[in-house]
Amino acid sequence: EVQLVESGGGLVQPGGSLRLSCAASGFTLSSYWMHWVRQAPGKGPVWVSHINTDGSITNYADSVKGRFTISRDNAKNTLYLQMNSLRAEDTAVYYCARSNGRIDYWGQGTLVTVSS
Amino acid sequence: DIVMTQSPDSLAVSLGERATINCKSSQSVLYSSNNKNNLAWYQQKPGQPPKLLIYWASTRESGVPDRFSGSGSGTDFTLTISSLQAGDVAVYYCQQYYSTPYTFGQGTKLEIK
Repeated sequence: EVQLVESGGGLVQPGGSLRLSCAASGFTLSSYWMHWVRQAPGKGPVWVSHINTDGSITNYADSVKGRFTISRDNAKNTLYLQMNSLRAEDTAVYYCARSNGRIDYWGQGTLVTVSS
Repeated sequence: DIVMTQSPDSLAVSLGERATINCKSSQSVLYSSNNKNNLAWYQQKPGQPPKLLIYWASTRESGVPDRFSGSGSGTDFTLTISSLQAGDVAVYYCQQYYSTPYTFGQGTKLEIK
């Protein structure tokens, strides 16, 4: 069974940093592109970033470019999102997701709240 | 960026009746190399992540009931639920995966009339 379990969310002050992790199981992580998608309270999902199978290709939404960094450790079956210079508008549930072209599996998400 | 626009924003349908949700993209999401539309539909219930229903605009994900169907090509797409069940109450989103950023529609909230 495919499982994606996010961790690392929490309350952080504006300008602070957080590192999210996503533990993957039930499939071979190194065979799939992976994504982070976020969803602010009461809003629709917004794609944040993706990374190719070996980590050599990454892309970001303009709203996070230069502040967030996606990475992966296939040996540890783990995806990461380093988030720096956090803003109030980054407050959301952050989902880790797997894609095979389309995004086919999502984790349950981890809540990030940016507030003073 | 490709803008995805869904209609309507909300929809109330009687049990057993048909529900139709539309999605329009600001540019074509048809990938010429394989003649496939890079368009997916998701269902999201409160407190849960989105669940993939349809991909390539019309291919049903494994395990999804056949009352869910997708159609359309290029820039205009439709999700149809042929006979609404109580468990289908949710918000439905279309998403293009043709080019980054992979954008979602604003969502359509489906309720029982």
